[in-house]
Amino acid sequence: DTGVSQDPRHKITKRGQNVTFRCDPISEHNRLYWYRQTLGQGPEFLTYFQNEAQLEKSRLLSDRFSAERPKGSFSTLEIQRTEQGDSAMYLCASSFGGTGQPQHFGDGTRLSIL
Amino acid sequence: ILNVEQSPQSLHVQEGDSTNFTCSFPSSNFYALHWYRWETAKSPEALFVMTLNGDEKKKGRISATLNTKEGYSYLYIKGSQPEDSATYLCASLDNYGQNFVFGPGTRLSVLP
Repeated sequence: DTGVSQDPRHKITKRGQNVTFRCDPISEHNRLYWYRQTLGQGPEFLTYFQNEAQLEKSRLLSDRFSAERPKGSFSTLEIQRTEQGDSAMYLCASSFGGTGQPQHFGDGTRLSIL
Repeated sequence: ILNVEQSPQSLHVQEGDSTNFTCSFPSSNFYALHWYRWETAKSPEALFVMTLNGDEKKKGRISATLNTKEGYSYLYIKGSQPEDSATYLCASLDNYGQNFVFGPGTRLSVLP
């Protein structure tokens, strides 16, 4: 069990640029979640995959956000035309089995928009 | 959309004290409740997954109870230690969706 890994750990970019983050879940985990967390708040659900299928996406999520999990293994989260309000910690988590199983989190990617 | 609340927002206790926090969630269409511990500079770590009304779970000095009818869960820490200092998050899942809604967390500081 090598844990969930996220890359990069930190990303600083100028407003208007596109950014892409990567998440490698625990290998046998079929579910993969993306969350966004800002100071003083709990993680906010963005989207989740079961294998390669994206089954749920937050209604609050802008069209500038897109996520993929092409082969049911790693996942990428892309933010296009970044805005100041996108500055946050982006967390990835994975789990095995059905809904309600404990999630294993990565260390997150901290995004700062200048 | 679920609204999950936690209280208190932050808490300072002395080493050896016992303490507890509350997580409140909508009781209708409840499916599962998770507790996580999030230490600074680390990733959130799962503590408990609870599904049944009246559930009680224990892990060392930490335990949790669940009341799905009234929509709350308590997390208890017995004999707090400095290494218990962390933010404790609860997350609720209902029958409609597949997404977890996290509360804002309770930040615990245990003073030696």
